[in-house]
Amino acid sequence: RKEVEQDPGPFNVPEGATVAFNCTYSNSASQSFFWYRQDCRKEPKLLMSVYSSGNEDGRFTAQLNRASQYISLLIRDSKLSDSATYLCVVNIGSGGGADGLTFGKGTHLIIQP
Amino acid sequence: NAGVTQTPKFRVLKTGQSMTLLCAQDMNHEYMYWYRQDPGMGLRLIHYSVGEGTTAKGEVPDGYNVSRLKKQNFLLGLESAAPSQTSVYFCASSYWGDGQPQHFGDGTRLSIL
Repeated sequence: RKEVEQDPGPFNVPEGATVAFNCTYSNSASQSFFWYRQDCRKEPKLLMSVYSSGNEDGRFTAQLNRASQYISLLIRDSKLSDSATYLCVVNIGSGGGADGLTFGKGTHLIIQP
Repeated sequence: NAGVTQTPKFRVLKTGQSMTLLCAQDMNHEYMYWYRQDPGMGLRLIHYSVGEGTTAKGEVPDGYNVSRLKKQNFLLGLESAAPSQTSVYFCASSYWGDGQPQHFGDGTRLSIL
């Protein structure tokens, strides 16, 4: 089983719709979770951290389900500019080891006018 | 705010040539990382550093060397370039390791002929 798994998509969604996608992780000791956004031929950029209680940033909501070992990202009122690849990132918190950060391969989202 | 700066942005090499990629960060971050990103493979960690004068191997270190002589700089070297090293290379930094989000440079596109 891969450490961090995402549906690669693409998800084709009409503008204004709500879209959600999940990411599963294999290590139950994982402690830190992030969603990054990567535009075509650009660098990954931090979208938001994911907290245990769930958190919201404008139209974006991130949730963590430790029991089932997945995190989710919900985008409301989607905009054309939301088209990108969304990377799930999980840190297993190995006590200072920088190689504990694992990136998913990303979910490709296309918002259609 | 420069953040993480990578040079060069693009480079074409012939098999067997050597080169050095430079990463510089102005955020006083302790940790620095080099990744490569290939289609369908996601981000893979090559080497990382937990502070000035330190380096460690990541997931795919073979064929690469690194140095961190100054806190703000992290160099990635290819001693004898091979076509398999054609990729997009990203440098990233974080204040410390576990649990901290990483900030990425805008990448170096390297082609080995």
